[in-house]
Amino acid sequence: QQQVKQSPQSLIVQKGGISIINCAYENTAFDYFPWYQQFPGKGPALLIAIRPDVSEKKEGRFTISFNKSAKQFSLHIMDSQPGDSATYFCAARSNYQLIWGAGTKLIIKP
Amino acid sequence: GAVVSQHPSWVICKSGTSVKIECRSLDFQATTMFWYRQFPKQSLMLMATSNEGSKATYEQGVEKDKFLINHASLTLSTLTVTSAHPEDSSFYICSAPYPTSGAAHEQYFGPGTRLTVT
Repeated sequence: QQQVKQSPQSLIVQKGGISIINCAYENTAFDYFPWYQQFPGKGPALLIAIRPDVSEKKEGRFTISFNKSAKQFSLHIMDSQPGDSATYFCAARSNYQLIWGAGTKLIIKP
Repeated sequence: GAVVSQHPSWVICKSGTSVKIECRSLDFQATTMFWYRQFPKQSLMLMATSNEGSKATYEQGVEKDKFLINHASLTLSTLTVTSAHPEDSSFYICSAPYPTSGAAHEQYFGPGTRLTVT
């Protein structure tokens, strides 16, 4: 019940395209859903986050869509750029602890 | 955004020796910090929760006598890998929740420490 399932494991998108990464959870006690971006050899960096009382949050080219009834949330990267190539992790928070998805390696082809 | 630093960024040590990794919150106080390890191409695995002024809480399967955690102040937590062995080689990352408006505490991560045990 504490798991967060992330898909796909890897994703290749053409420059300018839309990258979509999905996550699903079971625990309804989760109260905060962040997405992190990680480059090789670096720590994760908070990208964007959403609370369960909001269905969508947009920050620049990054959008989180949240479906509370389906217990799913997704990250959309619009106009994907080569610099977006990284590993993306979704997470869900319970009592200040983060439960992590397995990660998605995103490659943006120029 | 909040800044969390780690030192060292990488370390190589011989099998049997101990290594200390520092995690600092630079512009905020953190009563709680988290320690993770990450193997190549894998997700982050929470090792323990570091609590200022009290004992750390370890996740199941993590040896507390091997991974010593000390949260000496509101801005510093240390992880000491004792009697390190090659299987302890990994990427160790700390994080700290930052109190923002609305109480949606966001976790900010350090840059990580690459430990290689030879």
